Amino acid sequence: QLQLQQSGPGLLKPSQTLSLTCAISGDSVFSNSASWNWIRQSPSRGLEWLGRTYYRSKWLHDYASSAEGRITINPDTSNNQFALQLNSMTPEDTAVYYCARDQRAGPDFWYFDLWGRGTLVTVSS
Amino acid sequence: DIQMTQSPSSLSASVGDRVTITCRASQRILTYVNWYQQKVGKAPELLIYSASTLQSGVPSRFSGSGSGTDFTLTITRLQPEDFATYFCQQSYGTPRTFGQGTKVEAK
Repeated sequence: QLQLQQSGPGLLKPSQTLSLTCAISGDSVFSNSASWNWIRQSPSRGLEWLGRTYYRSKWLHDYASSAEGRITINPDTSNNQFALQLNSMTPEDTAVYYCARDQRAGPDFWYFDLWGRGTLVTVSS
Repeated sequence: DIQMTQSPSSLSASVGDRVTITCRASQRILTYVNWYQQKVGKAPELLIYSASTLQSGVPSRFSGSGSGTDFTLTITRLQPEDFATYFCQQSYGTPRTFGQGTKVEAK
C-alpha cells in the first residue's frame, strides 16, 4: 500500500532538536522520479516547504533558506525512510510537520501526490 | 523565491454554486502550478497538476486553467464535501512555494 508513515515526538522545549522520521511504503527512497520532502504548516506561515532529499546517482539535498544552517534531511536506505532534523527549535517553529513525495509526471512536471498524516510539533518551555 | 498570491482568502458559497479561486505568481512559471484541497485535520490532497490536468479520481466538477502568471481553479456545482481550504503551489523552481489558501465556507 502506497503511504508515508510519520513518527517522532510532538513536544519540545526551546533550543532542543526536532527529529522526525517518514517511512515509505509502496515506493523506494531511491526512486529517480521522486524527491522526499518535509513541509510544515502554521497559521502564521501557511504551508512552508523546508527541504528535500533525492537520489540521482548520488544523494542530493535542497533546503529552504529560512532553515539553512539548522536543518538536515537524510535518507535511511536500510529502512526505506527519510528523516528531518531541525536544530535550535523556538516557539516560532510550532507547526504541523508533513513529509511528502514530490513525484515527476511526464518530462518536467512535479507535484506532491503523497503526504504523511502530519505531526503537530509544539515548542514550549 | 517565487511568491504565490491567492484570492480571495475566504468565500461563502452554497451547494450548487460555481466557485472560482485565483492564484498569481510573482514571475512567469508557464503551467507549473498544482492545486490542493485540504480538510480540517488532514493533509492536503492533490486535485490538479500542471495547471489543468485533473488528478486521477478527482471529480470532473474541478477544473484548472491559466499559464504564465495567472491561474484559476473552478468548482462547478459545489458539493457539500467541497467545503475545504484550497491551495495553489508552483513547481517551476526550488524552493517550492504555496499560496496562502482560500477557505470555502457554507453560506
